[in-house]
Amino acid sequence: EAGVAQSPRYKIIEKRQSVAFWCNPISGHATLYWYQQILGQGPKLLIQFQNNGVVDDSQLPKDRFSAERLKGVDSTLKIQPAKLEDSAVYLCASSTLGKASGTDTQYFGPGTRLTVL
Amino acid sequence: DQQVKQNSPSLSVQEGRISILNCDYTNSMFDYFLWYKKYPAEGPTFLISISSIKDKNEDGRFTVFLNKSAKHLSLHIVPSQPGDSAVYFCAASPRGGADGLTFGKGTHLIIQP
Repeated sequence: EAGVAQSPRYKIIEKRQSVAFWCNPISGHATLYWYQQILGQGPKLLIQFQNNGVVDDSQLPKDRFSAERLKGVDSTLKIQPAKLEDSAVYLCASSTLGKASGTDTQYFGPGTRLTVL
Repeated sequence: DQQVKQNSPSLSVQEGRISILNCDYTNSMFDYFLWYKKYPAEGPTFLISISSIKDKNEDGRFTVFLNKSAKHLSLHIVPSQPGDSAVYFCAASPRGGADGLTFGKGTHLIIQP
């Protein structure tokens, strides 16, 4: 079974430029998450989708960050305009409810490392 | 306000011995706890989880213990192997993991030969 795919793996941009990241979740996973991991910290949730609807975007800086999940499969996360403090690894994860366990386990992609100069 | 805390930034253990990684949480709504392992330039890999209805879960060399009254969980790795050298993240979620995860800052485990 293929895992969560993300692209690009690395991106370097100047501040005030825009950037977009793409994620393809594990097939059949209804829930998709975007996390931001700053160096030395644990991942922090930015947004959670259930199918193509937003469940939680309370920690998404909506003045510059946006995300969408059209057709309930792939997702894109955009930053416009980027700031120096946006330098981080952006992780995508997907999950599905385990029928036996009744719990959700999230599986992560390799991440996109963003450097803002 | 850090709701999940891993107070040891790093831990060095000799190969073959037991590795014990600790995690504390403050949010009483958390009912599902997970450990992830992360190698450089890779995403976190799911290792093991435990629901709040249990106090122990075992999977091969990995065992997670949950002490709800102390709001503390630990990951035991026995025996430790060189390939276990990685950063380990503790994560927690309410509603059985249906919400986003709250992560600790991680513990860098180094297995020495």
